[in-house]
Amino acid sequence: DAMVIQNPRYQVTQFGKPVTLSCSQTLNHNVMYWYQQKSSQAPKLLFHYYDKDFNNEADTPDNFQSRRPNTSFCFLDIRSPGLGDAAMYLCATSRGGRGQPQHFGDGTRLSIL
Amino acid sequence: AQTVTQSQPEMSVQEAETVTLSCTYDTSESDYYLFWYKQPPSRQMILVIRQEAYKQQNATENRFSVNFQKAAKSFSLKISDSQLGDAAMYFCAYMLQGAQKLVFGQGTRLTINP
Repeated sequence: DAMVIQNPRYQVTQFGKPVTLSCSQTLNHNVMYWYQQKSSQAPKLLFHYYDKDFNNEADTPDNFQSRRPNTSFCFLDIRSPGLGDAAMYLCATSRGGRGQPQHFGDGTRLSIL
Repeated sequence: AQTVTQSQPEMSVQEAETVTLSCTYDTSESDYYLFWYKQPPSRQMILVIRQEAYKQQNATENRFSVNFQKAAKSFSLKISDSQLGDAAMYFCAYMLQGAQKLVFGQGTRLTINP
């Protein structure tokens, strides 16, 4: 089945130690998104790629960056994780165009020691 | 800025009964899309239903249907014949036409009582 795959499912890192989360898709969708979701809250969009074009949300901290080396893969880099960055990180994809629904991965739960 | 409000943090329903989850939104735009997503515990978020604002007809997907009231900016989700597998957090979301960004409500946690 076509899907959105996030690795790892759980990630533990130390305060201030860079960490990378990965996302891959077999849907061949143009758009890939990264969301941060804290406990019992709505997902918060960090940024998205429309093809190769990167779109950052205005309130996304500079500590968060992303790379999309090809259509299938997208990475979330957290340069110096703080305790407040502990959260579930969701990757999603969609076709480009009008009102296309987003397809989500299982998420990566990030813990900061 | 567009906002989405789900006024019911938690709801519960007896198995096989019907439940309605509320959602209101604020926008000055006329062309947009609305979605309901379901997020079961520790599982991925999945699309339940999608509504195009320019369509007056309410969207339906099997046991799931919406009551879309554009003038009132209301978009409620009705789940008929509730099943144990319907237990999840439900998020209402808005997307402006031409944009890729989803604006989510705070979610409603639905419990199904056997």
